[in-house]
Amino acid sequence: DQQVKQNSPSLSVQEGRISILNCDYTNSMFDYFLWYKKYPAEGPTFLISISSIKDKNEDGRFTVFLNKSAKHLSLHIVPSQPGDSAVYFCAASFSTLGRLYFGRGTQLTVWP
Amino acid sequence: DTEVTQTPKHLVMGMTNKKSLKCEQHMGHRAMYWYKQKAKKPPELMFVYSYEKLSINESVPSRFSPECPNSSLLNLHLHALQPEDSALYLCASSQVYAGGGTGELFFGEGSRLTVL
Repeated sequence: DQQVKQNSPSLSVQEGRISILNCDYTNSMFDYFLWYKKYPAEGPTFLISISSIKDKNEDGRFTVFLNKSAKHLSLHIVPSQPGDSAVYFCAASFSTLGRLYFGRGTQLTVWP
Repeated sequence: DTEVTQTPKHLVMGMTNKKSLKCEQHMGHRAMYWYKQKAKKPPELMFVYSYEKLSINESVPSRFSPECPNSSLLNLHLHALQPEDSALYLCASSQVYAGGGTGELFFGEGSRLTVL
């Protein structure tokens, strides 16, 4: 049973525009959420995270929004750059445990 | 040093071979993980070591045998693998597994395994 879902397998955005990647989860006990970025033939790289006590966390061009009532989070990238083209994985955890539950990923393509 | 180093980067082996994947981190993390990732799929957890003890085995076949010689090293011994075991094997570490930490996993670049 997939507890973390990314329903869009791909997203294509023009350079300079906003990229919005979405993620839904089913387990309301998750209290920590992370986004990882993965280039081909490389391991995932941590991008940004958010605790369930917050509804927004910002780091440079990247902002993650959390809507606990909807069990939904999103990653906003503004402005999008061609180097942002990668697979983005949403992940959730119980903060008392190090195990991550991953979504299936969204392939982001940023074109010039 | 925020790196998790995995060797080898690529490995091709026959079904009767015995080989090992190695992972090393020097961040003082006390939890280490093996994940398996197939193309276009998310990473799947295989094993978790916490303070050098095996904490989680996600019903992984015995042809995969993990070993944690010390807090910085994690090995995955491979024997009698099947072609369907071909995948990217990712090692990761985190501050702790249970009882705190940021929840952030640091991943290595992975070992691409091909079983012929």
